[in-house]
Amino acid sequence: EDQVTQSPEALRLQEGESSSLNCSYTVSGLRGLFWYRQDPGKGPEFLFTLYSAGEEKEKERLKATLTKKESFLHITAPKPEDSATYLCAVQARGGFKTIFGAGTRLFVKA
Amino acid sequence: GAGVSQSPRYKVTKRGQDVALRCDPISGHVSLYWYRQALGQGPEFLTYFNYEAQQDKSGLPNDRFSAERPEGSISTLTIQRTEQRDSAMYRCASSLNTGGTNTEAFFGQGTRLTVV
Repeated sequence: EDQVTQSPEALRLQEGESSSLNCSYTVSGLRGLFWYRQDPGKGPEFLFTLYSAGEEKEKERLKATLTKKESFLHITAPKPEDSATYLCAVQARGGFKTIFGAGTRLFVKA
Repeated sequence: GAGVSQSPRYKVTKRGQDVALRCDPISGHVSLYWYRQALGQGPEFLTYFNYEAQQDKSGLPNDRFSAERPEGSISTLTIQRTEQRDSAMYRCASSLNTGGTNTEAFFGQGTRLTVV
């Protein structure tokens, strides 16, 4: 069964303290792995799509990487405005179902 | 429109009533997804449309749930004979290309359904 597990559930950082969020997945043939950001009361906002092991993508202070079993979202020198829930999702080849993890709630303190 | 629009934003209904939730995707977007999201959890896939064709409905919980997108634009998710366990945030997302091409999906603000 296709599955996504995110850790930690919550992460508290000081402003400027770099860290990584983990997304472990099992899927029967990966079509794509997605990262989203979700602010309270709002819908998820797309960040990245990764397609194959070894791929990396960057956007401002965020960098996403992918291996055959997991993905990491690295946050460099975070700011309070980076506080949000970060969601990871996978889509398997041959289908359209997107499976989301429960998310990591990130709190960045000034 | 500027983004994915869902209506109503909030819906309170009595157990046993039918409800219809509407999604107006971004103009020109081919793919449309419906999700259900519980508090503190990620979205749970319900169904997927490619234009007007419902290509995956494997996530619909039971036969009280149905969805349509008759003209390949606006979609309606209908829940018949609602039950308290149906209470959740229902979200719609659209993307420019088909599900096989993995492009950026834009989510709406959601409809908060409460069954009393």
